[in-house]
Amino acid sequence: DAGITQSPRHKVTETGTPVTLRCHQTENHRYMYWYRQDPGHGLRLIHYSYGVKDTDKGEVSDGYSVSRSKTEDFLLTLESATSSQTSVYFCAISLLAGYDEQYFGPGTRLTVT
Amino acid sequence: AQTVTQSQPEMSVQEAETVTLSCTYDTSESDYYLFWYKQPPSRQMILVIRQEAYKQQNATENRFSVNFQKAAKSFSLKISDSQLGDAAMYFCAYRRVDSSYKLIFGSGTRLLVRP
Repeated sequence: DAGITQSPRHKVTETGTPVTLRCHQTENHRYMYWYRQDPGHGLRLIHYSYGVKDTDKGEVSDGYSVSRSKTEDFLLTLESATSSQTSVYFCAISLLAGYDEQYFGPGTRLTVT
Repeated sequence: AQTVTQSQPEMSVQEAETVTLSCTYDTSESDYYLFWYKQPPSRQMILVIRQEAYKQQNATENRFSVNFQKAAKSFSLKISDSQLGDAAMYFCAYRRVDSSYKLIFGSGTRLLVRP
């Protein structure tokens, strides 16, 4: 298994509070991704990173920001959590962009009450 | 924009039998990758099989094989000799070959395996 961990694994928070999810990899892969999984939608890309301090938006980026100060860590921040952000969040990594599989972390279940 | 459609929300198969999960996609690209991912109750996303669009030969991984019909934009997954451990959600996914990094997923098919 690819060395990817996510923390926390479960979190319950209140509407309006900030939340940060962490993805940590030990594979030294260049590319990292954040997806959210919702019933009926499969997984959808929130943000991705193609190197330290290099990030870009995915298809559902509103309300989220990311940061990558080190190769091994990719942080996803909800500045002010809303109930619509209740979801399961997956981090993924890949060595190359267009020619490599993406390997997924175990996921974080976030509930916003 | 590319889209991926899985029209079967749920499928059921008897243990040891064969089942086929359907996936169709829409793209104007000529070269791309297609994937099937398995998500068991543990929630972990596991890559099952991958197909490069430029390859005519269908990919095979042990009991898992695909039927890739490029002209029809169809990419089905066949599971032979189904096992109880195959019970999971299965997601079809598409990715362009160029610098577009993202995977585009279908909505998933839940596979039930009857003992």
